[in-house]
Amino acid sequence: EVQLVQSGAEVKKPGESLKISCQGSGFNFANFWIAWVRQRPGRGLEWMGMIYVDDSETKYSPSFEDHVTISADKDLATAQLHWVSLKASDTAIYYCARHCTRSDCDDPGFDHWGRGTLVTVSS
Amino acid sequence: EVVLTQSPGSLSFSVGERATLSCRASQRISSSYIAWYQHKPGQPPRLLIYGAFERATGVPDRFSGDASETQTLFTLSIDRLEPEDFAVYYCQQFGTSHGFWTFGQGTKVEIK
Repeated sequence: EVQLVQSGAEVKKPGESLKISCQGSGFNFANFWIAWVRQRPGRGLEWMGMIYVDDSETKYSPSFEDHVTISADKDLATAQLHWVSLKASDTAIYYCARHCTRSDCDDPGFDHWGRGTLVTVSS
Repeated sequence: EVVLTQSPGSLSFSVGERATLSCRASQRISSSYIAWYQHKPGQPPRLLIYGAFERATGVPDRFSGDASETQTLFTLSIDRLEPEDFAVYYCQQFGTSHGFWTFGQGTKVEIK
């Protein structure tokens, strides 16, 4: 069974750093793109960026590329989202999702998702 | 950059009715790069439709996707609404020119 297990909720202060994680199982994690998607309170889904685990190639949305870093460890089957300096506006639920292509999966798209990590940034 | 507009932000229906949700692209997009997701509170989003028309595994055939000939208007239809269908629905597209994904703002389907 394909699973993406995300790290637990975090409460941080503005200016602090944070790294959250997403561990995959049930599939060859290294051969997939893993995406991060933000949902701020009362708002819609925002694609932040994604990483191809095997070679760590990354793509970022212009809205996020100067504020977060996406990394991955294929040996640990884990992807991570990292902030150096959090802002209150980073308060959100962050989802990781597996991206499948037609050559890899029956259902191309973001076909499996983690349950989300709630990040609260408040002074 | 292509902008996806889902309007209105919410729609109200009764159980058993048909819902049609729209997603308008600011320019022509290949249908291959359009997907729809269902998102319920407390759950992760769920892939419903890919390639504008194809249902993901396990998605009831009450859900269907369509595209205009101009490839700028995409629709998600839900026949015979059931209580579990009330959720927020997002369209999503992949921009081949810039290489990243964007979501529409979402349409909330509410019970009337």
